[in-house]
Amino acid sequence: SQTIHQWPATLVQPVGSPLSLECTVEGTSNPNLYWYRQAAGRGLQLLFYSVGIGQISSEVPQNLSASRPQDRQFILSSKKLLLSDSGFYLCAWGTGRTPNEQYFGPGTRLTVT
Amino acid sequence: QKEVEQNSGPLSVPEGAIASLNCTYSDRGSQSFFWYRQYSGKSPELIMSIYSNGDKEDGRFTAQLNKASQYVSLLIRDSQPSDSATYLCAVNIRGGYQKVTFGTGTKLQVIP
Repeated sequence: SQTIHQWPATLVQPVGSPLSLECTVEGTSNPNLYWYRQAAGRGLQLLFYSVGIGQISSEVPQNLSASRPQDRQFILSSKKLLLSDSGFYLCAWGTGRTPNEQYFGPGTRLTVT
Repeated sequence: QKEVEQNSGPLSVPEGAIASLNCTYSDRGSQSFFWYRQYSGKSPELIMSIYSNGDKEDGRFTAQLNKASQYVSLLIRDSQPSDSATYLCAVNIRGGYQKVTFGTGTKLQVIP
């Protein structure tokens, strides 16, 4: 069966500090990978998605970036965090074939202070 | 008009009743529809998918799709306190299957 891991589970970072969140998937190959952010009391916002190694589509222009160095690894980064970057960051994987159901990891709760 | 709309609730139902959660979407070309359950502080969990008009049943859950009316719903029979959560509707918008758009969710409270 497929498993998706995210770490860290929680993170408190000062404004202006860098960020690196990692997501890995087990039990499937060539998945679609997604980064979402959920701000307090708000819906899920798609930040990036990837259909293959090195292929990144950005949905929202901002100070975040994503990379996919390996088939089942997806990384979310920032060089300088803003207060508005606080939120619940969720990685998801999809089959890459229609209808492409998506399955979420446990998430990272980021607080920027 | 939002691409995927849900009433934020809270929707309160007594234990044992039927909970009805609704979702409308803007893109007539949408083909895939999903319901996720999200407990407070946790990540969303996929509970139902539906792709054809009509009803799809899975245990106590029934998803209903009406593409002509651009409407998808989730019924939860014999509601339990453990069903108390936020339910997110997700739809593939603007064609393609790589991405879905989520509604903001409906908070369900099942009263014992």
